[in-house]
Amino acid sequence: GNSVTQMEGPVTLSEEAFLTINCTYTATGYPSLFWYVQYPGEGLQLLLKATKADDKGSNKGFEATYRKETTSFHLEKGSVQVSDSAVYFCALRNAGGTSYGKLTFGQGTILTVHP
Amino acid sequence: EAGVAQSPRYKIIEKRQSVAFWCNPISGHATLYWYQQILGQGPKLLIQFQNNGVVDDSQLPKDRFSAERLKGVDSTLKIQPAKLEDSAVYLCASSLGQFMNTEAFFGQGTRLTVV
Repeated sequence: GNSVTQMEGPVTLSEEAFLTINCTYTATGYPSLFWYVQYPGEGLQLLLKATKADDKGSNKGFEATYRKETTSFHLEKGSVQVSDSAVYFCALRNAGGTSYGKLTFGQGTILTVHP
Repeated sequence: EAGVAQSPRYKIIEKRQSVAFWCNPISGHATLYWYQQILGQGPKLLIQFQNNGVVDDSQLPKDRFSAERLKGVDSTLKIQPAKLEDSAVYLCASSLGQFMNTEAFFGQGTRLTVV
């Protein structure tokens, strides 16, 4: 079945450092890919998405490119802030089959940014 | 626009007791999801509804969990009887449809503790 694998955490960075959180997936067909973020005490919210190969999703300085050849969707940010401290989830949405529309999540990566 | 509403926010019960969670999706959203998020893990899909029909309940422990979506709007998730391993946050999400590029909006979740 479909699955999402994220890099092991937690990740601890200093403010203004470069961030990469790796995400790879296994899926049939051509799924859509998402990054969700969960700030402390809040619910999951969509950070960015990409719906086809080579698409780049971006929001709040974060970027991720849909790489079909490497089945990856790595999250990057050039300069992190303390306010970016949160848990980040990579997810995919089924393209077809009996579970069309099913949203499958990775295990999450905890990011802590220090001043 | 009102978000996804869930209640209660917190619940503590003893094992073998029963519990029910309620979800009110965003108005007009046809697709509704229930996820279980165990501490330190990513959300796991329990059941997906399209209007009032079940699309996917392959990971729902049907011997103890049940869910319904009344008239294709509100939904309830029930556990009877609860086990210690059911301690988790139960997330409800909704989206306009199952289409791959539509965003799923999440409620704040219900944190269940089984003692």
